[in-house]
Amino acid sequence: KNEVEQSPQNLTAQEGEFITINCSYSVGISALHWLQQHPGGGIVSLFMLSSGKKKHGRLIATINIQEKHSSLHITASHPRDSAVYICAVSGETSGSRLTFGEGTQLTVNP
Amino acid sequence: GAGVSQSPSNKVTEKGKDVELRCDPISGHTALYWYRQSLGQGLEFLIYFQGNSAPDKSGLPSDRFSAERTGGSVSTLTIQRTQQEDSAVYLCASSHSAGGIYEQYFGPGTRLTVT
Repeated sequence: KNEVEQSPQNLTAQEGEFITINCSYSVGISALHWLQQHPGGGIVSLFMLSSGKKKHGRLIATINIQEKHSSLHITASHPRDSAVYICAVSGETSGSRLTFGEGTQLTVNP
Repeated sequence: GAGVSQSPSNKVTEKGKDVELRCDPISGHTALYWYRQSLGQGLEFLIYFQGNSAPDKSGLPSDRFSAERTGGSVSTLTIQRTQQEDSAVYLCASSHSAGGIYEQYFGPGTRLTVT
């Protein structure tokens, strides 16, 4: 079993829909990261959080430390949000190196 | 300011040859990470540096892989006697420090193809 599990693996939505991507982890963490990878491969850090909730524009990330679960929400989705979204953790005992989930391929259709 | 840069962007090599991949981190970032993304697989950690030291090399898949960092800046990942299973995108990231939790900034990657 992977230390970081994401669901769903693939997600197709219509423009304007509210989207949720889930991440569960099985290790103690120092922080959880949400990353975005566009076609062509570039990776951008969206959020880094260790508790509570963060919001940036139409993106919201939440984390529940007790349940070892995080969600990434996209409100009013747009075709430009189409990308792979990756959850990653910095483990308590593994320092700042990241352990990654398999990613969620999101496609938003106009 | 300038982000993380990597070179080359693409590298095609014959099985058995050695390759060197280069990473230029963001200026002032003391932590530098190498990751690998194989086709159809997720990202995996290879090695990280704090300054010129590599406290964690546990992700290097074999002794054919090595990395160094000089002057607390540029890092080179070397793969000796390349094999087809080494084909992947090699990503470099840097952050303010490895002593603490900081956002990591990723480079564009080097796509390595071993024929």
